[in-house]
This record gives sequence, C-alpha cells and structure tokens, in this order.
Amino acid sequence: AQSVTQHNHHVILSEAASLELGCNYSYGGTVNLFWYVQYPGQHLQLLLKYFSGDPLVKGIKGFEAEFIKSKFSFNLRKPSVQWSDTAEYFCAVTAYYGNNRLAFGKGNQVVVIP
Amino acid sequence: DVKVTQSSRYLVKRTGEKVFLECVQDMDHENMFWYRQDPGLGLRLIYFSYDVKMKEKGDIPEGYSVSREKKERFSLILESASTNQTSMYLCASSLGTAGQETQYFGPGTRLLVL
Repeated sequence: AQSVTQHNHHVILSEAASLELGCNYSYGGTVNLFWYVQYPGQHLQLLLKYFSGDPLVKGIKGFEAEFIKSKFSFNLRKPSVQWSDTAEYFCAVTAYYGNNRLAFGKGNQVVVIP
Repeated sequence: DVKVTQSSRYLVKRTGEKVFLECVQDMDHENMFWYRQDPGLGLRLIYFSYDVKMKEKGDIPEGYSVSREKKERFSLILESASTNQTSMYLCASSLGTAGQETQYFGPGTRLLVL
C-alpha cells in the first residue's frame, strides 16, 4: 500500500515569500501524484496532478510541483504567496496501474500573513 | 461543473444513535468515496464504491457501513454512533476508475457525537 509523508504541518509566512511544501511517498511502482487544497470554508479541490511526461507540473493559482523519481518526492512550490493562499494543502498518491483509491498525507496548514 | 452535495453541514447526535450521511453527485460519476478528516491526520478513506450496490472497505471501515442503491447517491451509516466518530466527513466522486482520475469533493459534514 502507498503512504505519503508531509513535513512541517504548520507553515506561517509573509506575503511575497516563497513557499515550498515537501511530499514524499512510499511505493515501489509507478505512481500518480496529486496536490489538493482546501481554502477556509471551501471544498477540497485539485491544485495539480502528475501521471506522466514533464516532471514539472503547473497548476492553478501559480503553483507548480516537481516529481523527482529518485527521491520519491513531489514537492509543491509557489515563488510569491498571497494572503489568499492561506489554506490546507494535501499531497496524495495512487498506483499508476491501479484504481483511484487515494492515499493522503496529513496535510500542511499554511497561513500567509498580509 | 461537477457538483457533490452532502445532506447536512453540521450534525449533533447522541452516543448510540444511528446516523445517516447522504451524498449526491450530479455528473454520472462511477466512483464515490467517503473519508473522514481529522486535524493532524489528513483524510482517511472509510469506504468506496465503483458501481451501484458495490462497495469496498477503505482504511478505517470499523463502525461504519455504506449503501449505494442509485448511481448518484452514496450513503454513510454509523450504526451506533460513538464519541470517537466525532469528525468531519467528506464525500467525493470521480468519473472513472483509473488512477489518474481527479476526485471531486463535497463541502463536508461536521458531526459531533455527544
């Protein structure tokens, strides 16, 4: 079974700072990788996903993530955050040839101070 | 837009009560999922369903059951609610079964068991 590790559960930073959230997964085979985001009071929604091709994936609202197979990582980045990026971010994984049963990490609570 | 709705945003129940949480999706999705979300634990899969009348256990099925009599509706049942089932419950759906499929989430039901 897959598992996902997210570090630094709580992140506080100022507007215009850069953000990087780490995600490491544990699975021996090929995977599909996702970042979901939950803004305060809103539904959990997809930020971006990777399943093949260019390992640098761009998502909504200026976010990107890089898949590094050798490190079993899929880190999320944004060069300059805004107050509206305050949210909880979840990394998730499925097996590439399996079903879409997601294994989620524990999440990163990000607070951006204006 | 995909819409996943949940019958209640907030519920308060007493220990031992039978609790029904309803989820409806309007996009003819094959798959539906129930998760619980707890602070610091991320999302954990309770049950999922790939088809009408089909169900499979997730990671934490104990104390829960599900029902899928119609394609658009997936119900989560707490046969005898306990205080450790106080949580946020999220329903999700996806179009197909492939690992690359995006899951679409409802707004959640916050359940308090007294």
